[in-house]
Amino acid sequence: ETGVTQTPRHLVMGMTNKKSLKCEQHLGHNAMYWYKQSAKKPLELMFVYSLEERVENNSVPSRFSPECPNSSHLFLHLHTLQPEDSALYLCASSQAAKPNTDTQYFGPGTRLTVL
Amino acid sequence: KNEVEQSPQNLTAQEGEFITINCSYSVGISALHWLQQHPGGGIVSLFMLSSGKKKHGRLIATINIQEKHSSLHITASHPRDSAVYICAVRADKIIFGKGTRLHILP
Repeated sequence: ETGVTQTPRHLVMGMTNKKSLKCEQHLGHNAMYWYKQSAKKPLELMFVYSLEERVENNSVPSRFSPECPNSSHLFLHLHTLQPEDSALYLCASSQAAKPNTDTQYFGPGTRLTVL
Repeated sequence: KNEVEQSPQNLTAQEGEFITINCSYSVGISALHWLQQHPGGGIVSLFMLSSGKKKHGRLIATINIQEKHSSLHITASHPRDSAVYICAVRADKIIFGKGTRLHILP
């Protein structure tokens, strides 16, 4: 059982829907990440949070809105998505408060389909 | 040209074979990661390297900073090693390779 959980595991939504992806880490880590993995493309880092503050936003469209209410939880709020946003969305966490300096632990991902 | 290139893209081998997956990059980096992604999406971080060599069980990762190259080796490969192996480098941002799909036949 991974220390990082994600819900839901699968999500199908229309372009006008609003939904949220949830990530929870039970590892006491200080940094959390959202990644997008589209078919046949490399992983893309979307957002990085350190100690509940957003420290990195890699040119992600505003229809994706992250939220980190505490060090254990990370949300990705979705609204007015496009079909090309269909992908696997992965959450990860790492111990160090300085992101990307140590091993990241990944959740199982949410497979999102936008109709 | 991608800043992180992996080779081969696909690899099929027999159980027991020694496996090498390569990663070359064109930017200055502070660290390199090797990740393993199983069917269904779950990702496991295997190694983080900034120099030299690391070993964990049957897995060995090496990096040559001067040549901007890293290799992941699997000794005595097993069907459960079948997965996609992803190289990622930390430059001013994190950059991922496209992955190498490994299939080990019993």
